[in-house]
Amino acid sequence: GQNIDQPTEMTATEGAIVQINCTYQTSGFNGLFWYQQHAGEAPTFLSYNVLDGLEEKGRFSSFLSRSKGYSYLLLKELQMKDSASYLCACMDSNYQLIWGAGTKLIIKP
Amino acid sequence: DGGITQSPKYLFRKEGQNVTLSCEQNLNHDAMYWYRQDPGQGLRLIYYSQIVNDFQKGDIAEGYSVSREKKESFPLTVTSAQKNPTAFYLCASSRLDRDVNEQFFGPGTRLTVL
Repeated sequence: GQNIDQPTEMTATEGAIVQINCTYQTSGFNGLFWYQQHAGEAPTFLSYNVLDGLEEKGRFSSFLSRSKGYSYLLLKELQMKDSASYLCACMDSNYQLIWGAGTKLIIKP
Repeated sequence: DGGITQSPKYLFRKEGQNVTLSCEQNLNHDAMYWYRQDPGQGLRLIYYSQIVNDFQKGDIAEGYSVSREKKESFPLTVTSAQKNPTAFYLCASSRLDRDVNEQFFGPGTRLTVL
């Protein structure tokens, strides 16, 4: 079956660094997406990885290891506005997105 | 400004009534999607469409119907056959012609069936 696993909730301190992990098992693989979703709002696109390695975009970076079925999202210099849920999604062989349940990130002052 | 609109933001209906959620996009995207989001669960695909007048069932299509008469519009009808319709409904769209076809989401409609 297809499965995406990520922690349910994480807590971090303003100004610190946090790493949100995602492991996946899908039928075929055409890339992995990270989205940010504030409570009651729509998800917004953060990053896309299809090749192994690290993609950096400002304070956010995303890493992929296809052989391990593993990705992480790294958030640096955390700000209070980063409090949100972070959704990991894999594109399968039919180019459909399979979504994880999301990781709720709580930032404390 | 280009984007996706969904209306209304909040919707209340009595049990047994059909209800239609609207989704419009002016991004000129070929593909459109409907998802359902419940607390503690990932987004689940209801229906998707890659071209006008054609659509495909997703993982949880039972009790829902859609139409795609125009490229810009992809309304979702929640029928009385849907056993547990109270949820947050998200519409999305994407291109199909690039390497990275990220999905763009509308603001969502929160449906409560009383």
